[in-house]
Amino acid sequence: GENVEQHPSTLSVQEGDSAVIKCTYSDSASNYFPWYKQELGKRPQLIIDIRSNVGEKKDQRIAVTLNKTAKHFSLHITETQPEDSAVYFCAASMRQAGTALIFGKGTTLSVSS
Amino acid sequence: DSGVTQTPKHLITATGQRVTLRCSPRSGDLSVYWYQQSLDQGLQFLIQYYNGEERAKGNILERFSAQQFPDLHSELNLSSLELGDSALYFCASSVGENQETQYFGPGTRLLVL
Repeated sequence: GENVEQHPSTLSVQEGDSAVIKCTYSDSASNYFPWYKQELGKRPQLIIDIRSNVGEKKDQRIAVTLNKTAKHFSLHITETQPEDSAVYFCAASMRQAGTALIFGKGTTLSVSS
Repeated sequence: DSGVTQTPKHLITATGQRVTLRCSPRSGDLSVYWYQQSLDQGLQFLIQYYNGEERAKGNILERFSAQQFPDLHSELNLSSLELGDSALYFCASSVGENQETQYFGPGTRLLVL
């Protein structure tokens, strides 16, 4: 079945360092890839997304890259800050009609000052 | 605040009971999605409605059902509840039905005792 693998499951960095989270997906028909940030007990919040006709997208300290051939996409956070600490989820659109998303298992990012 | 509202915030009930969770999408959004978030399964897509019609179905149990009303709010009905149904249930909405950005509500935390 359709699947999204996300690595690593936990990531600890020092403030100011970069953080990279990687995801692979199984469905070649997937063409929409959002990233969500979820703080404890709160809703997932969209931080950036990319569509299959684009290879890279950047928004200030956050960037996402997509390799459709390898079915692989990554989140890059530069100059990390303590407030970046949260769980990050990648997702890919499902093959069936609609915009339903398959989510990765999440990465817990801890940024220490 | 994403503009998506969900009620109730918390729900405590007993096994075998039935509950209804409610979601109001952002103004102008026609699609509503339901997701279940548990510690062991992560974020799982349940079902999507677009303008009152079912559009996509995920891992939704037969004991669960949903609908979207003419005013576009949606309800998720969970019946014959089991301990394992305890989870956070999120509703999300988007403007259209395909490859659209989804905005999540605050969630309903369900505890089945």
